Amino acid sequence: GAGVSQSPSNKVTEKGKDVELRCDPISGHTALYWYRQSLGQGLEFLIYFQGNSAPDKSGLPSDRFSAERTGGSVSTLTIQRTQQEDSAVYLCASSPQGAAKNIQYFGAGTRLSVL
Amino acid sequence: AQSVTQLDSQVPVFEEAPVELRCNYSSSVSVYLFWYVQYPNQGLQLLLKYLSGSTLVKGINGFEAEFNKSQTSFHLRKPSVHISDTAEYFCAVNGGSQGNLIFGKGTKLSVKP
Repeated sequence: GAGVSQSPSNKVTEKGKDVELRCDPISGHTALYWYRQSLGQGLEFLIYFQGNSAPDKSGLPSDRFSAERTGGSVSTLTIQRTQQEDSAVYLCASSPQGAAKNIQYFGAGTRLSVL
Repeated sequence: AQSVTQLDSQVPVFEEAPVELRCNYSSSVSVYLFWYVQYPNQGLQLLLKYLSGSTLVKGINGFEAEFNKSQTSFHLRKPSVHISDTAEYFCAVNGGSQGNLIFGKGTKLSVKP
């Protein structure tokens, strides 16, 4: 079956613009995670959804970042007023449930470049 | 807080040679451990996982890892590598407060002919 799908695969934007990144998880997976991969910071956890609910948003780097999930499926990560330090690969993963032992399946990521 | 340390940022090796990629973790509670591989411009693919039971875990592509609780290690091994194993490898522990993965910095394996 289909894996985790992320779009766009690449996004180049100008500093100060807003961007939306999309994640379509594996069908039936209730848990969804966003991570950021950058040269300086490695792989960082951003936010977790169980269904449509994100119980803790403290992993988001700043208040310019927001995320939502609708219908227990597609999630969007929005970055407002982008800065150069937001340049990174944004990875989405889904899992059958949020239990620690469950495998997280990753999408190919969105490479964001802020000029 | 839990953390994962991958001791080598880069490992060059010749084709058909054995390789070991090292991973140590810190945790005061039981952990679940994972190795993921990332090929260029791709996402992360699970190689293997340790949840419980046998400490020797076998994964895809001929890789295996051994969980050592006393040394808090989970080193990845392959007896004979191929050019196609060239990739970046990430060790992770599933110990975040929200079930999220905590990753090491990664090890770039470069297999030379």
